[in-house]
Amino acid sequence: DTAVSQTPKYLVTQMGNDKSIKCEQNLGHDTMYWYKQDSKKFLKIMFSYNNKELIINETVPNRFSPKSPDKAHLNLHINSLELGDSAVYFCASSQGGGFFYGYTFGSGTRLTVV
Amino acid sequence: DQQVKQNSPSLSVQEGRISILNCDYTNSMFDYFLWYKKYPAEGPTFLISISSIKDKNEDGRFTVFLNKSAKHLSLHIVPSQPGDSAVYFCAASPSGGYNKLIFGAGTRLAVHP
Repeated sequence: DTAVSQTPKYLVTQMGNDKSIKCEQNLGHDTMYWYKQDSKKFLKIMFSYNNKELIINETVPNRFSPKSPDKAHLNLHINSLELGDSAVYFCASSQGGGFFYGYTFGSGTRLTVV
Repeated sequence: DQQVKQNSPSLSVQEGRISILNCDYTNSMFDYFLWYKKYPAEGPTFLISISSIKDKNEDGRFTVFLNKSAKHLSLHIVPSQPGDSAVYFCAASPSGGYNKLIFGAGTRLAVHP
């Protein structure tokens, strides 16, 4: 039973399209995150939600909009996709700040914009 | 601005020997440090953490050492096993609230027989 599940695992789309990535966690955690792993392999935080409330919003283009319908779900919608959006996107969850036990990550969504 | 640096992109170790992975940080406000392990096509998995009030934390074959004055931490794996071959990420965060984890670029460890 997957703790943090993301769909789809792979996404290939054309520039200018709009796409969504879904994330669900069954750990009962109260905080969820979106991280982006770029071509240099750095994992950089994009957004964080605590109990459906946005608590971290990094410098991310407005084309990226997260939505958390409940504390178990955090979806990422991307408008007008650009070539530079190609990356692996990871969803994660934690209880509180995740300082001692870390975050639990999903397996990632590889987005390729052509 | 890289606040967490892993200067060795790769490390090769013989099975049974010690693996030492290093990490440096620049932000003196960091209070919590974590190591993650990542296999290809999978998400990172939490390995071990340490808070700034300690200088060592052990969990089985894994030990993390923290040197606050040098802003340096290391992960020791003893003995190394082929299944340890993966990318290891160091991460850090200030304490309190819902601060974000800041990750290094990772070190690819290869353990060969």
